[in-house]
Amino acid sequence: NAGVTQTPKFRVLKTGQSMTLLCAQDMNHEYMYWYRQDPGMGLRLIHYSVGEGTTAKGEVPDGYNVSRLKKQNFLLGLESAAPSQTSVYFCASSYGAQDRKYSYEQYFGPGTRLTVT
Amino acid sequence: KQEVTQIPAALSVPEGENLVLNCSFTDSAIYNLQWFRQDPGKGLTSLLLIQSSQREQTSGRLNASLDKSSGRSTLYIAASQPGDSATYLCAVQPGGSYIPTFGRGTSLIVHP
Repeated sequence: NAGVTQTPKFRVLKTGQSMTLLCAQDMNHEYMYWYRQDPGMGLRLIHYSVGEGTTAKGEVPDGYNVSRLKKQNFLLGLESAAPSQTSVYFCASSYGAQDRKYSYEQYFGPGTRLTVT
Repeated sequence: KQEVTQIPAALSVPEGENLVLNCSFTDSAIYNLQWFRQDPGKGLTSLLLIQSSQREQTSGRLNASLDKSSGRSTLYIAASQPGDSATYLCAVQPGGSYIPTFGRGTSLIVHP
């Protein structure tokens, strides 16, 4: 079991460039989440998905888009990167409510460190 | 809206001490509470998950308790070691919500 993996681990973008962060999980989890973590701000939810083909906005969705075409993958896109999007991005996944014993237990990926200059 | 607070924000202790980290939440209607560890530059590693019907969970030198009525959870670390140095976060899963609420974490340093 690889758990939750994130690609790439590091990236430097220029303002206005676009990129896609990939999150993959091999635990057959229903729910997947994208967070950003900034010093002094804690973890903030960007977007989440409660199943294949579904997405929803979190606390800080502006400037980001997501897609969940396959159950195991959750993609985070930045269409036009801005310096304010410099952050560490974490993906997480969990079982859905149908598995009551383990539901909502979150598993995190190792993170992607993004710098926008 | 659920709010989660962790006090203290930072803690420095000598090796060997038993210590308690605190997590408080404002709405007792929770589904579960999860404790994580985060090492610098790394992701979050799950330590313990307590379901709302449970009072405590134990794993090795770690013991987490939950008191829903008072909106509190504690993480007890026995015989602390320098390798325990990390940031510890708690997250509350509100009942009926897909979205957990995280605390800001307690940064722990255990010095030899």
